[in-house]
Amino acid sequence: QKEVEQDPGPLSVPEGAIVSLNCTYSNSAFQYFMWYRQYSRKGPELLMYTYSSGNKEDGRFTAQVDKSSKYISLFIRDSQPSDSATYLCAMSETGANNLFFGTGTRLTVIP
Amino acid sequence: GAGVSQTPSNKVTEKGKYVELRCDPISGHTALYWYRQSLGQGPEFLIYFQGTGAADDSGLPNDRFFAVRPEGSVSTLKIQRTERGDSAVYLCASSLMGGLNSPLHFGNGTRLTVT
Repeated sequence: QKEVEQDPGPLSVPEGAIVSLNCTYSNSAFQYFMWYRQYSRKGPELLMYTYSSGNKEDGRFTAQVDKSSKYISLFIRDSQPSDSATYLCAMSETGANNLFFGTGTRLTVIP
Repeated sequence: GAGVSQTPSNKVTEKGKYVELRCDPISGHTALYWYRQSLGQGPEFLIYFQGTGAADDSGLPNDRFFAVRPEGSVSTLKIQRTERGDSAVYLCASSLMGGLNSPLHFGNGTRLTVT
């Protein structure tokens, strides 16, 4: 079993839809949770960063962490064609140097 | 430069050859990371430098892989006796201080193909 599981999709939604992306994990020691966006042939860029449980909102993006269920989510409101990319969840333990990434979910927002 | 720069962007090599991949981090960033991303997968950690020293090389798959950062800035990932299974995108990232409170900035990667 992988440390981090993520549905690879692909996921297609119409412009303006609300998108929900999710990851589950097995390591209860994970404390740092991140979402990265990766465009084709580009490096990942950090979208959201959360420590421990709770919600965080930044513009159209909301990240949620439920440590009791070992489940994290990213919501994108009013999705735009420019949101079309692969979304990677990543997480890590306190004091660690490395991130564990999910496989990524490929999202297409159709105009 | 504005971001993390990796060269070459693409590298094709024959099985058994030696390759070097270069990473120029963001100026002033003390921490540097190498990750490997295989097709359809998320990045996997290889090695972490704090300054000139490799603080954590636990992700290097075997002794064919080696990385250096002699002056605490540019880093080179070296792969000896390449195998077809080494084909992947090699990503470099840097951060201001290291540790996970300091966001990682990734380069666009070097796409390595071993034929």
